Amino acid sequence: AQTVTQSQPEMSVQEAETVTLSCTYDTSESDYYLFWYKQPPSRQMILVIRQEAYKQQNATENRFSVNFQKAAKSFSLKISDSQLGDAAMYFCAYRMEYGNKLVFGAGTILRVKS
Amino acid sequence: GAGVSQSPSNKVTEKGKDVELRCDPISGHTALYWYRQSLGQGLEFLIYFQGNSAPDKSGLPSDRFSAERTGGSVSTLTIQRTQQEDSAVYLCASSLVQGINNEQFFGPGTRLTVL
Repeated sequence: AQTVTQSQPEMSVQEAETVTLSCTYDTSESDYYLFWYKQPPSRQMILVIRQEAYKQQNATENRFSVNFQKAAKSFSLKISDSQLGDAAMYFCAYRMEYGNKLVFGAGTILRVKS
Repeated sequence: GAGVSQSPSNKVTEKGKDVELRCDPISGHTALYWYRQSLGQGLEFLIYFQGNSAPDKSGLPSDRFSAERTGGSVSTLTIQRTQQEDSAVYLCASSLVQGINNEQFFGPGTRLTVL
């Protein structure tokens, strides 16, 4: 079975600084998708960024980028120029290529200091 | 609608009572998912509906949990004889199609508290 591990329960970052959230996963599949979701206090899950495993190029979305290391099964999220609105719970998630359910990590609480 | 909606937003019940949680997916989305988020944990898959196919119930934790999706739209998650360990946030998501491009859009969840 696939598993997703987020080893950092909490992280803090100063406003305008850069922070990296870690995620590792375990799978025997060769093709799959990886996601980072943001969950603010409103509980609304928001997709931040996604990565297709067959793509070598790391995905980027404005201030958000990933470092995808397929051989190491690592998928970290880098947030540049952190803003107060980035404060939230961040979840790393995995999905098989033609699967349906998402497998989530336990989450990392990100605090942004002004 | 504009997004996935869920009701109620919060539900407090007594141990042993039955509860029903409702999910209205985005119009036109054929796939619907239920997840459970327990305190301090990530989301746990419960059940998945896709069109008229038989649902994937592999994540339901016990036979006290069941779900229906009527008319391919609204879904109801029912928990019978609730236990304190059922306390969690129940999240619903919907997506357009299964396969490569099936980004899941989540609702705001229902926080269930079992006293």
